[in-house]
Amino acid sequence: NAGVTQTPKFQVLKTGQSMTLQCAQDMNHEYMSWYRQDPGMGLRLIHYSVGAGITDQGEVPNGYNVSRSTTEDFPLRLLSAAPSQTSVYFCATSTSGDEQYFGPGTRLTVT
Amino acid sequence: GESVGLHLPTLSVQEGDNSIINCAYSNSASDYFIWYKQESGKGPQFIIDIRSNMDKRQGQRVTVLLNKTVKHLSLQIAATQPGDSAVYFCAENEASGGSYIPTFGRGTSLIVHP
Repeated sequence: NAGVTQTPKFQVLKTGQSMTLQCAQDMNHEYMSWYRQDPGMGLRLIHYSVGAGITDQGEVPNGYNVSRSTTEDFPLRLLSAAPSQTSVYFCATSTSGDEQYFGPGTRLTVT
Repeated sequence: GESVGLHLPTLSVQEGDNSIINCAYSNSASDYFIWYKQESGKGPQFIIDIRSNMDKRQGQRVTVLLNKTVKHLSLQIAATQPGDSAVYFCAENEASGGSYIPTFGRGTSLIVHP
């Protein structure tokens, strides 16, 4: 089992560009979520989903969109990248939001 | 809003010592707590959890203590090894509509000297 996979591992964007961070899981978990981690900070919840077709906002949703058309995939879209979105992004899955399994992360730099 | 915080951002110990990492929480509605370990360049990894109806739980070389009276959580690592060097996060979880919404603390960096 691959667990939780994220692509790309690294990305550099210019201000105003858009892109999609991919997250896929083969654990058949209903709950998926996206976090950002900034230096010296904990993880902050961006968006989460409790099942296919259902998404909700977390603590820092502005500038990001998500959709959940399948159980396996939960892409995160940056609509118009800003330097403030430079961060490490983690996708996580769990059965119900409790013990979370994290992907390896995507390191995003916006110039 | 309510938040989770940590008392010590960095903890340095000698190999073989016991380590104690602390966490304060303020959301009285939180009923489930988790400790995660994050090694450099990797995603966080589950270590141990505890529910609010318990005050102590033990795993392999790790013990979590929960004091609901003062809203305090601690992670004890016995006989700390260099491989334990990492950032440790506590997360408090509040039940919401059948699932949990976690809030993470800032993290404590544990440095183990051989």
